[in-house]
Amino acid sequence: DIQMTQSPSSLSASVGDRVTITCRASRNIRNVNWYQHRPGEAPKLLIFFTSTLEAGVPSRFSGSGSGTDFTLTISSVQPEDCASYYCQQTFSDPITFGQGTRLQIK
Amino acid sequence: EVQLVESGGGLVQPGGSLRLSCAVSGFTVSGNFFIWARQAPGEGLEWVSIIYAGGTTIYANPVKGRFTISRDFSKNIVYLQMNSLRFEDTAFYFCARASCRNGNCYIFDLWGRGTLVSVSS
Repeated sequence: DIQMTQSPSSLSASVGDRVTITCRASRNIRNVNWYQHRPGEAPKLLIFFTSTLEAGVPSRFSGSGSGTDFTLTISSVQPEDCASYYCQQTFSDPITFGQGTRLQIK
Repeated sequence: EVQLVESGGGLVQPGGSLRLSCAVSGFTVSGNFFIWARQAPGEGLEWVSIIYAGGTTIYANPVKGRFTISRDFSKNIVYLQMNSLRFEDTAFYFCARASCRNGNCYIFDLWGRGTLVSVSS
């Protein structure tokens, strides 16, 4: 199975900060998807195919990367971004998710 | 409204059984495929089972032989029958719809809020 390792596991940011979350795959993959999960809510698709924003997702979210290293960036963190973020690979069965990054707002 | 709503979670003893339901509204179960995923306390997301549009099912190794995914087109519901439950099955269980985009069919574009399964004696 392809292991997806996210870093950091948690972080704290102030409103307006730029935040970057990294996802590293145990071997080369084509793309990742990114999801946001606020406590008590349904997880939400943010980005697919590494960098394509899902409809309705604010443009402050962006994704990049290739090979084994991928990033999710929030250009200017907002209070509603307080959530956990997960990467997911679909290159090889079984699909696997990262362990998550918890973003807290100061 | 397009949504997924899970139900059926609860407290169960080790070795017991539960059946989770994922009620689909705003679109039909037929023609789509779905996963069940779970999140144990303090852990990340883990896929549990997939049911493809054609009916093929796949299970993660930790649940193989104990869990069964199925669907009812008339009720527009996806189920997860969980037998021989273990302490380590304790988690929030989510269902999600897969969207096929440019040939990639593992993009989960709609999720439910989840239902909590607690396995405890």
